[in-house]
Amino acid sequence: DQQVKQNSPSLSVQEGRISILNCDYTNSMFDYFLWYKKYPAEGPTFLISISSIKDKNEDGRFTVFLNKSAKHLSLHIVPSQPGDSAVYFCAASQPTSGTYKYIFGTGTRLKVLA
Amino acid sequence: DSGVTQTPKHLITATGQRVTLRCSPRSGDLSVYWYQQSLDQGLQFLIQYYNGEERAKGNILERFSAQQFPDLHSELNLSSLELGDSALYFCASSNFFSGGAPDTQYFGPGTRLTVL
Repeated sequence: DQQVKQNSPSLSVQEGRISILNCDYTNSMFDYFLWYKKYPAEGPTFLISISSIKDKNEDGRFTVFLNKSAKHLSLHIVPSQPGDSAVYFCAASQPTSGTYKYIFGTGTRLKVLA
Repeated sequence: DSGVTQTPKHLITATGQRVTLRCSPRSGDLSVYWYQQSLDQGLQFLIQYYNGEERAKGNILERFSAQQFPDLHSELNLSSLELGDSALYFCASSNFFSGGAPDTQYFGPGTRLTVL
């Protein structure tokens, strides 16, 4: 059972425009949500996170929005740049026995066209 | 460069064999996590160690085991390998959480395992 879903396997956006990556989850016990970016032949790198008690977090060109009632979050990248082309993973953290478990989505491949 | 190293980068072996994947965490990080990424799948959490002790288990098969040594490096042992075990295996490290938000996990480049 996939608790974190990224339903769009890929997305193409023109340079300078907005990229919107979506993520849905099913478990209301998740307390933090994170986005990771992954380039080929590298491990994922942390991008931005949001606590479940907030609805927006912004860091430069990256903004994450959380809609708890819809169990949906999105990552906005404005303006998109060719270097943003990568696979983006949405992850949710679940507190468990004094630590956290991360549940990852399957990723969305973003291609920013120059 | 995340500071997390994994060896080997690639591993090709046959069904029924046993392999060991190695991970060295970032300097100062006490916690190590192992993940498996199969084709078209997200990262599946396998297991977490903190300062030598197992802290959390995910979808780790009984054929798989891990440990963290006193120098904090970790090894993931995969035995009786099957074709379906072919995947990317990532190690991540963190300073573990301070009681608030979960710490950022820093990922290594992964080990690509191919079982023939």
